[in-house]
Parts: sequence; C-alpha cells; structure tokens
Amino acid sequence: QTVVTQEPSLTVSPGGTVTLTCASSTGAVTSGYYPNWFQQNPGQAPRALIYSTINKHSSTPARFSGSLLGGKAALTLSGVQPEDEAEYYCLLYYDGAWVFGGGTKLTVL
Amino acid sequence: EVQLVESGGDLVKPGGSLRLSCAASGFTLINAWMSWVRQAPGKGLEWIGRVKTKADGGTTDYAAFVKGRFTITRDDSENTLFLQMNSLKSDDTAVYYCTTEAPSVFYYWGQGTLVTVSS
Repeated sequence: QTVVTQEPSLTVSPGGTVTLTCASSTGAVTSGYYPNWFQQNPGQAPRALIYSTINKHSSTPARFSGSLLGGKAALTLSGVQPEDEAEYYCLLYYDGAWVFGGGTKLTVL
Repeated sequence: EVQLVESGGDLVKPGGSLRLSCAASGFTLINAWMSWVRQAPGKGLEWIGRVKTKADGGTTDYAAFVKGRFTITRDDSENTLFLQMNSLKSDDTAVYYCTTEAPSVFYYWGQGTLVTVSS
C-alpha cells in the first residue's frame, strides 16, 4: 500500500520561512506524480494552493511556492503570516489513483 | 461563480447504503473530471475516486480501500455528480467532499456533507 508522508507538525515565526515536504513510499517524487498542495482551516473545505509541482492558482499568495527537493515534493512559505497557520496536505498521483499525505499542522508562533 | 454543493449525508446503520449528490453550478459539468474526497473526524483527507468526462471515456478510478463498495456516476444533463455507498462501516464516518479534477488540478471544492455510520 502506497504511503505519502509529511511532517506531522512544524512551527515557524511570523515573517520567517518554512518548507513542508511530501515523500512517497515508492521512491523519489518526480513531476510525474503531479504534486498538489492544499491548505485547510478547521471546519472548512481544503483550499488549492499548488498543482503539478510548481504551478500556483490565481488565488495563491505569492509567498507560497512549490518545488522538488531531495526526492520529495516541497511547499515553501516565505514571509509567513499569522493567517498561514493551518493544516497543509500534499496529494500525489499513482497510475490512476491519488493519495494524500497525512498532513502537516503548521503553527505560526 | 462556480459552486459545488454536496447533499445526502445522513446517519446510517452499519451495512446500510447511502447516495450522495454534488450539484454543480457556474460551469458545465460535462467538461469536468470530478473526484470525491472524504475526511474522518479529526483525521486527514482521503481520495475516494473519480469519474472522467464522457469525452474521455467516462471511466472511473477508485482508491484501493473502496473495494467495490462505492460507485461514482454523473448526470451531465442535471449537472450533478453522485457517490453511491454500500455496505457502510463505522470507518466510513466522515465529511464527504466533491471536487473538480481538471485533470491533475483540484481547484473547486464543495463544503462537504457529513455521513455518520452508527447503530
């Protein structure tokens, strides 16, 4: 069974930079996994941030960026704002099926 | 404005069935691949499956855990997506979301509908 792994939790100071990662149990994540990233606040639906590794939606703030880093998909937040405190999920594609990571709880403190 | 509105969530007994609906507005469903995603209370997101457009064959793909219990269909004439769930278990208790998948781009999400499986 394929497992997608994210850091369970991370803490960052306001104005700081943080990188969240997304690893696959099958090996290195490549662009062929079409990594997507989502932000979710409590009680709300997920909000799309990044698709196909690096592409931002028109509504995605400029401080969010996607990349591949050390065999993982990565989401970097630069100049973190208090409103960025949320749960973040990655999503990877495996030959006809999608698998979410377990999520990263980002605390801005 | 694009909107997805899920409905049909309810309290159902283990072993029971339920059909969820996702009404789309602001765009034409016929042109959209659509997925269902769920989230158990206090847990993460879980992709359930998707249906492609009829132009792309109208085929479906499912997560391994579905094991034939769930079926995704679409009625493009009604701009509505469905999720038929059978043999429900307590583990299926979750908020169920529909989302556009365009392909490989999940942008629009509904607000979800709660399914509770309990005796």
